[in-house]
Amino acid sequence: IQLTQSPSLLSASVGDRVSITCRASQDISSYLAWYQQKPGKAPKPLIYAASTLQSGVPSRFSGSGSGTEFTLTISSLQPEDFATYYCQHLNSYPHSFGQGTKLEIK
Amino acid sequence: EVQLVESGGGVVRPGGSLRLSCAASGFTFDDYAMSWVRQVPGKGLEWVSGINWNSGTTGYADSVRGRFTISRDNAKNSLFLQMNSLRAEDTALYHCARDVGSGIKDFWGQGTLVTVSS
Repeated sequence: IQLTQSPSLLSASVGDRVSITCRASQDISSYLAWYQQKPGKAPKPLIYAASTLQSGVPSRFSGSGSGTEFTLTISSLQPEDFATYYCQHLNSYPHSFGQGTKLEIK
Repeated sequence: EVQLVESGGGVVRPGGSLRLSCAASGFTFDDYAMSWVRQVPGKGLEWVSGINWNSGTTGYADSVRGRFTISRDNAKNSLFLQMNSLRAEDTALYHCARDVGSGIKDFWGQGTLVTVSS
């Protein structure tokens, strides 16, 4: 299963609402997770089962979708949200990742 | 406190072998599946391999299948990755990660660096 994220690079400002899309090459139901990674740090889990927020993740993050198209939305960007985001499918092995979306400050 | 500490990385020539280890603490190790994920510095994440709690199910990325072997020792709270026939493109930082029921990797180690170079 291939995961394709878009865009690869996203420029936005603090307070903006942004969305990142992840498309799967075949139906993966809701077996999708999202992670945030900052330079030099391990990835941080944000969302699993396409739309369930991991414990401790701010409510401005949300996930939606099922089947082959998924979206991560950040409702109001905060300075600490500028990072790279990855989707990952969690159905059967292999648990492949998308190529990543870098969210940068405009 | 959950801790995952990788070791075993280093510099190896193409065609060589390395065995990575991941020491787990702070949780009941045999309650969880585990994974290895690698990342070339400055590049994206690549899932490498996974293993369920009792070693009954394993999985591999196409890029490493037949060359890498994942295993675990629940008595020693340890995860392993035996890497054979190493290639330059295997050069990366290798992380171990804990898989929760949903499959999401909720805790990650800081990684061990593998460099394959002649």
